[in-house]
Amino acid sequence: DTEVTQTPKHLVMGMTNKKSLKCEQHMGHRAMYWYKQKAKKPPELMFVYSYEKLSINESVPSRFSPECPNSSLLNLHLHALQPEDSALYLCASSQAADRVMGEAFFGQGTRLTVV
Amino acid sequence: KQEVTQIPAALSVPEGENLVLNCSFTDSAIYNLQWFRQDPGKGLTSLLLIQSSQREQTSGRLNASLDKSSGRSTLYIAASQPGDSATYLCAVRPNAGNNRKLIWGLGTSLAVNP
Repeated sequence: DTEVTQTPKHLVMGMTNKKSLKCEQHMGHRAMYWYKQKAKKPPELMFVYSYEKLSINESVPSRFSPECPNSSLLNLHLHALQPEDSALYLCASSQAADRVMGEAFFGQGTRLTVV
Repeated sequence: KQEVTQIPAALSVPEGENLVLNCSFTDSAIYNLQWFRQDPGKGLTSLLLIQSSQREQTSGRLNASLDKSSGRSTLYIAASQPGDSATYLCAVRPNAGNNRKLIWGLGTSLAVNP
């Protein structure tokens, strides 16, 4: 099983709403990532969790709040977003053992529209 | 600072052609290089991963090569099919500094015409 599952596939939310994106993997990977991707651009790293601890925050605004409840799950909590936050949000995972980073596997993404 | 460039930005070929996509990087201190495919509005599918000690990897009609010293990788697609139409992205993982962060090219948009 080399699958990373993201839910929901599509999300439309108002600027005052609170919503969450979910990501799940069962490959035993200990590094999990959130990326944001705008049209015709490569993915842009937001957060990295390594062994369920936040190891990288790429200066992401606090209206995005990541959470890693266990080694298989990764959430991204959204609050008071702006229309420019509309994008494809991708979750990824890879093996993690300090500097030994293997193949990265991506989910199918959540298409987020902020109205 | 590592930079990744993909050439060409877009490519349109008739079905059945063999084709080569190029990826170049400025710093040879990489841990690995990965090729991905992305269909419009969808997530990324990992195609091939090449470790820095390897020269090439093959999967079906795909072959990826790596020349670390010259900072180049190529993705060869044999006997292209319309279903191969997608954007192909390459990404390198640095071997120094923050190697949790993949460095991406801008991608090659491929159209294979029936």
